[in-house]
Amino acid sequence: ELKVEQNPLFLSMQEGKNYTIYCNYSTTSDRLYWYRQDPGKSLESLFVLLSNGAVKQEGRLMASLDTKARLSTLHITAAVHDLSATYFCAVGHIESFGAGTRLTVKP
Amino acid sequence: DTAVSQTPKYLVTQMGNDKSIKCEQNLGHDTMYWYKQDSKKFLKIMFSYNNKELIINETVPNRFSPKSPDKAHLNLHINSLELGDSAVYFCASSQTTYGYTFGSGTRLTVV
Repeated sequence: ELKVEQNPLFLSMQEGKNYTIYCNYSTTSDRLYWYRQDPGKSLESLFVLLSNGAVKQEGRLMASLDTKARLSTLHITAAVHDLSATYFCAVGHIESFGAGTRLTVKP
Repeated sequence: DTAVSQTPKYLVTQMGNDKSIKCEQNLGHDTMYWYKQDSKKFLKIMFSYNNKELIINETVPNRFSPKSPDKAHLNLHINSLELGDSAVYFCASSQTTYGYTFGSGTRLTVV
């Protein structure tokens, strides 16, 4: 069974700071996804990573994938309040989601 | 135009009742899914249908039965509802490894 672990599960950070969310998974997979979920809302696709070394950036978020280490990171640069949400990584054919990282960005 | 639409958005019902949640996608995707998100935000896949055929059926109680009349629709029927069924249920669809699109969710509360 494919297991996906995210850390931290809770993250409170100040505006302007940088931080990284980690996503480890237990077995080989050729694809990894990052999603954002606002409270009471659906999941919004952020990134799809399909190869070792893939790096994608959108605004203040950058995602990378190391398939050998079975690790993906979501890096937040100069956080702003609007980034407050829960971030999920998902692996494989998205049968397996991480537990989510609840990010709160404070002024 | 909503890509993946679910109805109803909210559903409050008593224990023991039978209810259905409907899902429709207008993206032309071949695969549709049902996920359950519990109160701690854990997301777990329940079912996956590809071209009207069941391809994933995780360990869910057989009170839950998916029905796919065509590849644009995947409904979820739940018999004999229990308190533990209270959750948010998401429908999703995909065509390839790109572009998994989720519906807005159905918040089910069993009282």
